[in-house]
Amino acid sequence: NAGVMQNPRHLVRRRGQEARLRCSPMKGHSHVYWYRQLPEEGLKFMVYLQKENIIDESGMPKERFSAEFPKEGPSILRIQQVVRGDSAAYFCASSPDTGELFFGEGSRLTVL
Amino acid sequence: AQSVSQHNHHVILSEAASLELGCNYSYGGTVNLFWYVQYPGQHLQLLLKYFSGDPLVKGIKGFEAEFIKSKFSFNLRKPSVQWSDTAEYFCAVRGNQAGTALIFGKGTTLSVSS
Repeated sequence: NAGVMQNPRHLVRRRGQEARLRCSPMKGHSHVYWYRQLPEEGLKFMVYLQKENIIDESGMPKERFSAEFPKEGPSILRIQQVVRGDSAAYFCASSPDTGELFFGEGSRLTVL
Repeated sequence: AQSVSQHNHHVILSEAASLELGCNYSYGGTVNLFWYVQYPGQHLQLLLKYFSGDPLVKGIKGFEAEFIKSKFSFNLRKPSVQWSDTAEYFCAVRGNQAGTALIFGKGTTLSVSS
């Protein structure tokens, strides 16, 4: 059973460009979570999705950030018009209905 | 608001020393509690979890944690650390209802010298 797959592992963007991060949950998992990790700040919750629905987006910045989890295909975290402060590691996790979260290896975004 | 506080930012120990990492949470309801570990360059892995029952939980690699409800704490312990335990440790909490997100503490970096 493959784990949570994230791609790309590393992404470099210039200020103003768009970044798209993809996450394929573990087989049988219908819950996806996105977290951002900054040095010495731990993991900050961003958004929690189930198939085609956003359950909790209380951690998402109000502008430029969006997330989706379509019926078919991976979950996408989209950052428009990136700025240097968006540079971070973005982790995706998935879970079955209840229980522990299983994490992917993360996508490291660098904004030049 | 839900929050998790990890008191120690960086802990340095020698091999065979005992370890205790503090974790306190703030949450208005029944909780599920977790400790995750992140080894250098790797993704987060679950060490142990508490949902209900015996408040002393055993995890992998000799780790254990004790849930003390009256103190809102879930401290992580290991009687004798090894060099390979060098990693970052995260405490996390969420409500036990479906549809609640997992909230993490800021993490504790453990450095073990051989």
